[in-house]
Amino acid sequence: EPEVTQTPSHQVTQMGQEVILRCVPISNHLYFYWYRQILGQKVEFLVSFYNNEISEKSEIFDDQFSVERPDGSNFTLKIRSTKLEDSAMYFCASSEGVLMYTGELFFGEGSRLTVL
Amino acid sequence: KNEVEQSPQNLTAQEGEFITINCSYSVGISALHWLQQHPGGGIVSLFMLSSGKKKHGRLIATINIQEKHSSLHITASHPRDSAVYICAVRSYNTDKLIFGTGTRLQVFP
Repeated sequence: EPEVTQTPSHQVTQMGQEVILRCVPISNHLYFYWYRQILGQKVEFLVSFYNNEISEKSEIFDDQFSVERPDGSNFTLKIRSTKLEDSAMYFCASSEGVLMYTGELFFGEGSRLTVL
Repeated sequence: KNEVEQSPQNLTAQEGEFITINCSYSVGISALHWLQQHPGGGIVSLFMLSSGKKKHGRLIATINIQEKHSSLHITASHPRDSAVYICAVRSYNTDKLIFGTGTRLQVFP
């Protein structure tokens, strides 16, 4: 069964360092998302991406964050200068579409980011 | 006030019991998702629905759009059903999902 894959599964970094989280969505999917979950809290939307551009972003997704689909298969989330409060599990998700029969979301296993 | 509220927050059950998890939301939605989060953190989609009822194996999801309420039922619960169950809604004209805080279910043998 096709799946969304994320790397790394866990990354530890120093505050101020740049981090890139990578995702390979399901191949025929067109909509891509990043969500995050701070430990003990609910999942929060960061950004959605369609047709090679950001379609929606949350207030969390400030200038420190960027997304890219560099080669038609990978979908990356970059945090330019990490802060302690960026420590969280980051989930990539993809869907074929957004309508009822195409909008089911498939999530990756998550990338745990720890900022020291 | 949270836009998506779930109850209960925690639920314990004996194997074989019938489980119900409730979700209420305050926004107009185009779809509601039920998700399962494993102890390791991974998230799996269980259902996406906008009306009526869906069934998959021992899982049943219902939604009442007028009352802005959905329920997830698990029949003949099993210890492997132990997980966090999350309700999330997609409101109109938006890509994002708004998540509830989840219901932690533990099923004991």
